[in-house]
Amino acid sequence: QVQLQESGPGLVKPSETLSLTCTVSGGSISSYYWSWIRQPPGKGLEWIGYIYYSGSTNYNPSLKSRVTISIDTSKNQFSLKLTSVTAADTAVYYCARLGDWGMRDWGQGTLVTVSS
Amino acid sequence: QSALTQPPSASGSPGQSVTISCTGTSSDVGGYNYVSWYQQYPGKAPKLMIYEVSKRPSGLPDRFSGSKSGNTASLTVSGLQAEDEADYYCSSYAGSNNVVFGGGTKLTVL
Repeated sequence: QVQLQESGPGLVKPSETLSLTCTVSGGSISSYYWSWIRQPPGKGLEWIGYIYYSGSTNYNPSLKSRVTISIDTSKNQFSLKLTSVTAADTAVYYCARLGDWGMRDWGQGTLVTVSS
Repeated sequence: QSALTQPPSASGSPGQSVTISCTGTSSDVGGYNYVSWYQQYPGKAPKLMIYEVSKRPSGLPDRFSGSKSGNTASLTVSGLQAEDEADYYCSSYAGSNNVVFGGGTKLTVL
């Protein structure tokens, strides 16, 4: 079972870009699919997208125009960028290992607040 | 893709069984055997409880079971315990390499 840890700014200004990194330990990133999920305060989960170690990606159609997920296998990390953020993007952001279309292992999550 | 439909709440007494439903369409739940269920305590990350409709990750109690009929998947918790009180979410493969979640169900142990 791998461990995942999200990191990045907890506060982002409206219209700017949200950037988060997920560090994977206890296993190689070069074997699985990796995903980002978010949860607005008091609300449900929303899948953002995934990346394979080869670099292939797929994104939630509702966020596709603003999302980029990238991977750095040398650092065992993958990252999320979300552009043109608004208050509606305020959420706890989780990274996870995707397997058989289920999120097998999760990071602890990091709260990102969009506010000026 | 639209979110899967779950009841907002469910409840049961200790020792009883409770079933939580997750309704989608033939494009997600009904079309693939890739339904997962997650348990989430307040302030904590979700935990995978069921994958591929009815499979349990190693180490999880067999009190948790999953099934599917048509466009509706179900999670059954048998022998309810106080520690089962949590939010439960379903997810499904939705085609074209997409995943969709349900809105979540708050399970209360009376």
